[in-house]
Amino acid sequence: NAGVMQNPRHLVRRRGQEARLRCSPMKGHSHVYWYRQLPEEGLKFMVYLQKENIIDESGMPKERFSAEFPKEGPSILRIQQVVRGDSAAYFCASSPDHFDRGTEAFFGQGTRLTVV
Amino acid sequence: GENVEQHPSTLSVQEGDSAVIKCTYSDSASNYFPWYKQELGKGPQLIIDIRSNVGEKKDQRIAVTLNKTAKHFSLHITETQPEDSAVYFCAATTINTGGFKTIFGAGTRLFVKA
Repeated sequence: NAGVMQNPRHLVRRRGQEARLRCSPMKGHSHVYWYRQLPEEGLKFMVYLQKENIIDESGMPKERFSAEFPKEGPSILRIQQVVRGDSAAYFCASSPDHFDRGTEAFFGQGTRLTVV
Repeated sequence: GENVEQHPSTLSVQEGDSAVIKCTYSDSASNYFPWYKQELGKGPQLIIDIRSNVGEKKDQRIAVTLNKTAKHFSLHITETQPEDSAVYFCAATTINTGGFKTIFGAGTRLFVKA
């Protein structure tokens, strides 16, 4: 059972370009979460998605950032018109379809975005 | 909003000693508390977790305790080894009507000196 797969692992973009980060959850998982980690800092929640639905996007910046999790294919985190402050590691996590009061989430290896 | 505080931010111990990391959370609805270990250049890996109906859980050299009344939980690593050196994150998960959300602490950088 492959783990959570993120690609690319490293992404370099010039200011003003678009960045697309992809996340394929573990098999059987339909909950996906995106987190951002700045250097030397903790993980900041961005968005929680289920298939074709955004459940909670309270951590997403209001502009330039969007996320989707289509019926088929990976979840995509899209950053338009990137700025230097977007440089960070972006982690995706997934959790199983059925959960009771809390369930573990598995993380991918992250995508390290560098804006030059 | 929900908040998880984690202390200390940096911890240095001698090999063989114990390490303790403490976290407090603000949302009384939180009922699942995972701990993650993150090595350099890698994603966080779950190392142990505890649910709100349990006060303590142990897995070999790692143990976690939970005090729901005081809203704090702790990670204990005994007989530390150099390979335990990493950043450790605590987290608190809260269930809501749409699903659940996990809030992470800021992390503790653990150094184990050989």
